[in-house]
Amino acid sequence: AIQLTQSPSSLSASVGDRVTITCRASQGISSALAWYQQKPGKAPKLLIYDASSLESGVPSRFSGSGSGTDFTLTISSLQPEDFATYYCQQFNSYPQPLTFGGGTKVEIK
Amino acid sequence: EVQLVESGGGLVQPGRSLRLSCAASGFTFDDYAMHWVRQAPGKGLEWVSGISWNSGSIGYADSVKGRFTISRDNAKNSLYLQMNSLRAEDTALYYCAKVFGYQLLFHAFDIWGQGTMVTVSS
Repeated sequence: AIQLTQSPSSLSASVGDRVTITCRASQGISSALAWYQQKPGKAPKLLIYDASSLESGVPSRFSGSGSGTDFTLTISSLQPEDFATYYCQQFNSYPQPLTFGGGTKVEIK
Repeated sequence: EVQLVESGGGLVQPGRSLRLSCAASGFTFDDYAMHWVRQAPGKGLEWVSGISWNSGSIGYADSVKGRFTISRDNAKNSLYLQMNSLRAEDTALYYCAKVFGYQLLFHAFDIWGQGTMVTVSS
């Protein structure tokens, strides 16, 4: 199965900071990558699909980039409502299993 | 309103079975693949299984292959997960999720249910 490694696993940041989370795939997945935000007690929410396409209704401070094996989620100016856990997911692999990264928890500094 | 509502979770003994259901509304159910994703308490997301719009293609995580069976009934706008030979490590919140891409088996998940909890314990 394709492994996704997210880094860092957690970070502390302040409101207004620029935050970058990376996701590395164990083999090339083209642009078949999505990013999700999950808050405690809630289902995940799709932010980015196809590596860089912003889901409808998601604020433009979120952006995604990358292709092949290296991907990035950037929050240009962190807002109070952005403190959450973020996951990457690859969907290039059928019939191999679809996989998620281990998550990155963004906490308040 | 686009909505997914899971049901069927509960407390079950190891080795027993459970069937989860997911009722869909607000979109054309038979145009989209559907998936199950689980999350153990305090842990990350784990893909479990997915089924294409017409049930022609199905996939499973290695951890559940041979024990779990995914199915759908397009006439009832419903997705199912039959879980047999349950183990303690299957304890998790189980989400159903809709694929974003029209008639794609694997893609991002744009709609998620609220989840149904499965606890496997004696």
